[in-house]
Amino acid sequence: GNSVTQMEGPVTLSEEAFLTINCTYTATGYPSLFWYVQYPGEGLQLLLKATKADDKGSNKGFEATYRKETTSFHLEKGSVQVSDSAVYFCASLGSGNTGKLIFGQGTTLQVKP
Amino acid sequence: NAGVTQTPKFQVLKTGQSMTLQCAQDMNHEYMSWYRQDPGMGLRLIHYSVGAGITDQGEVPNGYNVSRSTTEDFPLRLLSAAPSQTSVYFCASSRPRDNSEQYFGPGTRLTVT
Repeated sequence: GNSVTQMEGPVTLSEEAFLTINCTYTATGYPSLFWYVQYPGEGLQLLLKATKADDKGSNKGFEATYRKETTSFHLEKGSVQVSDSAVYFCASLGSGNTGKLIFGQGTTLQVKP
Repeated sequence: NAGVTQTPKFQVLKTGQSMTLQCAQDMNHEYMSWYRQDPGMGLRLIHYSVGAGITDQGEVPNGYNVSRSTTEDFPLRLLSAAPSQTSVYFCASSRPRDNSEQYFGPGTRLTVT
């Protein structure tokens, strides 16, 4: 079945540092891929998505490119802020168009001033 | 629009008690899902529904029941609570397209003693 693997956290960075959070997936076919963010005490919200190979999703300075050849969807940001401190989840849409998301384990990011 | 609402926000149960977690959405979304979030495990799908009257099991359905009598509501029932069900529960809804964003509720934190 489909699965998603994220790099282990927590990740601690200084403000304005470069961020990469690795995500790889296994799937039959080419599922849509997502990054969700969870701020402290809140539910998840969509950060960005990509629906086919070579698509780049972007939002709030974050980017991720759907790489079919490496089955990856790494999240990057050039200059993080304290307000980016949150838990980030990579997810793929399961087969069969049922709205079933398959999540990675989540990566906690802490940005220090 | 209120989006996806969940009640209660917090709940403490004793082993063997039953309860229902409520979820409602006002976006006329056909797809609704229940996930549980546990440390280091990301979110795991419990049950999902692709429309009123249609439900199916996800990855971790044991100990939980669902029904979907209306498009708006998707309650999750714990029949006999166990300490292993201590978790944070999220309800989500989306439109029936394979790249649709899922909208998450704020979560219910459940502790079973």
